[in-house]
Amino acid sequence: KAGVTQTPRYLIKTRGQQVTLSCSPISGHRSVSWYQQTPGQGLQFLFEYFSETQRNKGNFPGRFSGRQFSNSRSEMNVSTLELGDSALYLCASSPRGELREAFFGQGTRLTVV
Amino acid sequence: AQSVTQLGSHVSVSEGALVLLRCNYSSSVPPYLFWYVQYPNQGLQLLLKYTTGATLVKGINGFEAEFKKSETSFHLTKPSAHMSDAAEYFCAGTHTGFQKLVFGTGTRLLVSP
Repeated sequence: KAGVTQTPRYLIKTRGQQVTLSCSPISGHRSVSWYQQTPGQGLQFLFEYFSETQRNKGNFPGRFSGRQFSNSRSEMNVSTLELGDSALYLCASSPRGELREAFFGQGTRLTVV
Repeated sequence: AQSVTQLGSHVSVSEGALVLLRCNYSSSVPPYLFWYVQYPNQGLQLLLKYTTGATLVKGINGFEAEFKKSETSFHLTKPSAHMSDAAEYFCAGTHTGFQKLVFGTGTRLLVSP
């Protein structure tokens, strides 16, 4: 069974640009959540989707948005990039609505210059 | 509100020695607790989880953890460290209906020959 796939693995963007990150969950998993990992703030929750509905959102500005498609694949978008958005963005998938287990992808390393 | 605390940002052990990584949680409802491992430039790999049932949980690579409600702890142990165990370890928690993981700040395990 294939794991969680995140694309791309690495991205370099310029301040002010926007970026879209993609996550394909494990086959059959319907919940996808996103986390931002930085040395200063650690792992912080961005948002969670289940059956195309955002059920929970972390404390991030509106520049951070996401969506989930009918095949459970998810994308997150960051607009008007800032230097502080440089981070490892991790996607996790879970089989059901409750987070009794969450499997993570390899992450997308975003560098904003 | 749920919170997870990891004591010690760095733990150093010799190869073959006992590994003990500490995690305490705060939750007003029965928690689900997890340990993840992260190698450099990689995502998070699930080591083990506690949801309900047996309080001593065995995971991959010889790790285990014990859920102690009276101490609000979920410490990770391994009887004999290997060089390959050198990595960063994260304790995480959630509960029914919470739909997100709350992470500790991580503990970097260093293994010396």
